[in-house]
Amino acid sequence: NAGVTQTPKFHILKTGQSMTLQCAQDMNHGYLSWYRQDPGMGLRRIHYSVAAGITDKGEVPDGYNVSRSNTEDFPLRLESAAPSQTSVYFCASSFYRQASGGNTIYFGEGSWLTVV
Amino acid sequence: GENVEQHPSTLSVQEGDSAVIKCTYSDSASNYFPWYKQELGKRPQLIIDIRSNVGEKKDQRIAVTLNKTAKHFSLHITETQPEDSAVYFCAASKGILGTYKYIFGTGTRLKVLA
Repeated sequence: NAGVTQTPKFHILKTGQSMTLQCAQDMNHGYLSWYRQDPGMGLRRIHYSVAAGITDKGEVPDGYNVSRSNTEDFPLRLESAAPSQTSVYFCASSFYRQASGGNTIYFGEGSWLTVV
Repeated sequence: GENVEQHPSTLSVQEGDSAVIKCTYSDSASNYFPWYKQELGKRPQLIIDIRSNVGEKKDQRIAVTLNKTAKHFSLHITETQPEDSAVYFCAASKGILGTYKYIFGTGTRLKVLA
């Protein structure tokens, strides 16, 4: 049971290039999301999906696209990368914990992306 | 808009002392308050959480308190150890899965000095 797996872990991209960050989960969670982490900004949600075929915008969606064709995979695509998209990206699944009465987020290991 | 303010941004304590991190949220409908710990180069991981109908929760050396009236909650770490050094994030959440919103604080870098 690997949890949430992200690839690549590190990548350098040139301005204007496109790339896809891959996310795969094996916990059968319906809810998946992408976050970016920037110094002093905390964790901000980019896009999310509650089930296969359903995606929606988070708080900072501009410049990113997602798709959800099945339960396991939730790729994040940068169509035309900009230096402002240099960040650490986390894919995350979420599940409701009855014991705590709230939704726990389980993060992947992160993808460090630099746009030059 | 909705936000979560977290203070301090950095905190240094001597090993064995206590550390307190405070968060204030703006949305009074928030009903779930988790804390995440992120070690250098690693993913954030849940360490403790509290529901809005509970005032305090403790798990060994860590505890969280919630003041709904003032809309703030705090993380308390007692008898700090070097392995407690990390970035800690608070969050405020509301709603059911699928429609819920999770707002994170900006993080506190805790350094435990040996």
